[in-house]
Amino acid sequence: AQSVTQLDSQVPVFEEAPVELRCNYSSSVSVYLFWYVQYPNQGLQLLLKYLSGSTLVKGINGFEAEFNKSQTSFHLRKPSVHISDTAEYFCAVSEGTGFQKLVFGTGTRLLVSP
Amino acid sequence: DTEVTQTPKHLVMGMTNKKSLKCEQHMGHRAMYWYKQKAKKPPELMFVYSYEKLSINESVPSRFSPECPNSSLLNLHLHALQPEDSALYLCASSQAVRAGEQYFGPGTRLTVT
Repeated sequence: AQSVTQLDSQVPVFEEAPVELRCNYSSSVSVYLFWYVQYPNQGLQLLLKYLSGSTLVKGINGFEAEFNKSQTSFHLRKPSVHISDTAEYFCAVSEGTGFQKLVFGTGTRLLVSP
Repeated sequence: DTEVTQTPKHLVMGMTNKKSLKCEQHMGHRAMYWYKQKAKKPPELMFVYSYEKLSINESVPSRFSPECPNSSLLNLHLHALQPEDSALYLCASSQAVRAGEQYFGPGTRLTVT
């Protein structure tokens, strides 16, 4: 069975600083990996995805993530954050075969302050 | 267009009421999902429809009844809910159940009094 670990429940950072949100997964098969962002009182928006190919994926709003199979990680990065990036970020994994059930991590709250 | 719409945005209902949540997508997706999300938690899968047929029911109580009238619409009928059912209900869709990403709607904030 798959599982996703987001070790940091909250990450405080100053505006214009770089940030990394960590995500580790466990799975015995090939996986698809996703990062979603949720702003207060809204649904989830897809930030980026890794399905296959290049391990460095670029998403919306200046975010990128790197798939590292040996370390079973898919960390999310942004070189310079804005106040508007304050939100909850969920890492999710689904198996590369069969039914694509999304397994979510517990989420990381990114708090950007001036 | 990657939009999934949900109505209503907010819903307050008593424990004896019957209400419905609606979800719509026009991306030609053939898989649609209902999730429940409690505060400060990740979404939990409730139901999956594939080609308008119920594929997965994650042991959801019968007071929640899903319906997929056509490939663009998904409803969730609610009856005799409990206060602990108060949550954000999210609809999502994907090209197919074996496809990659799911696209989420904005959710319906449900309060059961």
